[in-house]
Amino acid sequence: KQEVTQIPAALSVPEGENLVLNCSFTDSAIYNLQWFRQDPGKGLTSLLLIQSSQREQTSGRLNASLDKSSGRSTLYIAASQPGDSATYLCAVNSGYALNFGKGTSLLVTP
Amino acid sequence: DTAVSQTPKYLVTQMGNDKSIKCEQNLGHDTMYWYKQDSKKFLKIMFSYNNKELIINETVPNRFSPKSPDKAHLNLHINSLELGDSAVYFCASSQPPQGNEQFFGPGTRLTVL
Repeated sequence: KQEVTQIPAALSVPEGENLVLNCSFTDSAIYNLQWFRQDPGKGLTSLLLIQSSQREQTSGRLNASLDKSSGRSTLYIAASQPGDSATYLCAVNSGYALNFGKGTSLLVTP
Repeated sequence: DTAVSQTPKYLVTQMGNDKSIKCEQNLGHDTMYWYKQDSKKFLKIMFSYNNKELIINETVPNRFSPKSPDKAHLNLHINSLELGDSAVYFCASSQPPQGNEQFFGPGTRLTVL
């Protein structure tokens, strides 16, 4: 059974810092991996989708990498802003459904 | 236009009641899902339907019954609601094959008193 782990569970950084969120998964037989953002009391916003054949995807200040063989993905956020404060979720698609990690709660302080 | 919509957004009800949550997608996708986000914010798959047929049914109590009247709709009916059913329920859709992105609805926050 696919297990997805996100480290750290919580992170607080001052504005302007570059930061890395980590995601690991136990079964490398995946179709893709998605990073989501969730604001308190809100729904899921898809940030990046990496197919199993890809190594990385970029969108603005966000860069996600995937190392399928080692079961790892990272989400890099450049020049963090207070508006980046949210919970970031990693989800692995191993078949018909997504397996989610428990998320990293990010706080960017002014 | 909203791609995946859910109604209602909020649902407050008493223990023992029966309630339904509706989901509709206008993306033309064949596969739809229900996920549950518990009080600890952990998201987990409940059901998946492909072209109106059930393909995933995780260890969910049989008080939960999904119904797919057509490809664009996947409703969730819950009988005899319990306190532990309080959660946020998310509907999602995607287009087969399995490598494609899933699109999520805004969620329905269910509170059982």
